Amino acid sequence: QKEVEQNSGPLSVPEGAIASLNCTYSDRGSQSFFWYRQYSGKSPELIMSIYSNGDKEDGRFTAQLNKASQYVSLLIRDSQPSDSATYLCAVIPGNTGKLIFGQGTTLQVKP
Amino acid sequence: DGGITQSPKYLFRKEGQNVTLSCEQNLNHDAMYWYRQDPGQGLRLIYYSQIVNDFQKGDIAEGYSVSREKKESFPLTVTSAQKNPTAFYLCASSIAQGGNEQYFGPGTRLTVT
Repeated sequence: QKEVEQNSGPLSVPEGAIASLNCTYSDRGSQSFFWYRQYSGKSPELIMSIYSNGDKEDGRFTAQLNKASQYVSLLIRDSQPSDSATYLCAVIPGNTGKLIFGQGTTLQVKP
Repeated sequence: DGGITQSPKYLFRKEGQNVTLSCEQNLNHDAMYWYRQDPGQGLRLIYYSQIVNDFQKGDIAEGYSVSREKKESFPLTVTSAQKNPTAFYLCASSIAQGGNEQYFGPGTRLTVT
């Protein structure tokens, strides 16, 4: 079992829709969770961090964390073509302090 | 402007040559990291440093070496012992090693032929 798992996609949504990106992790002791956006050929950009159960909203982005289910998600409201990118989920397992990345989910927002 | 710089953006080398990738940050961050990204894959940790003059191996350290003589700088050397060096190399930093957010530089794309 991979430590951090994401569906590679592509996930295709129409412009204006809600995009839902999901991530599961294996270490129950994980405490820190991050979402990065990576445009093709560019480096990852941190867009959300979440540390406690529940929702965290920042503009059109909402991160959701459920530690009991070992699940973290990212919702993008009113999706725009400029949101088309690969979204990387990253987790710091409780015993290492090192960031572990999922493979990423490619999102395509169609005009 | 505060940030992380990496140079060069593109680097081409012949097989058997060592090459050093530069990473500099002016964010006053204590921790710095090197990752490697291959097409269609996630990031894999090569080395990390929590403080000046100290660094630890990550998950794929074989064939790489680093130094941390200054807080601002964390260069990575890709040696001839690295079997598949062609990749996108990313440097990151955080306030401290552990649960803090990591911020990435623009990356160096290395091609070895």
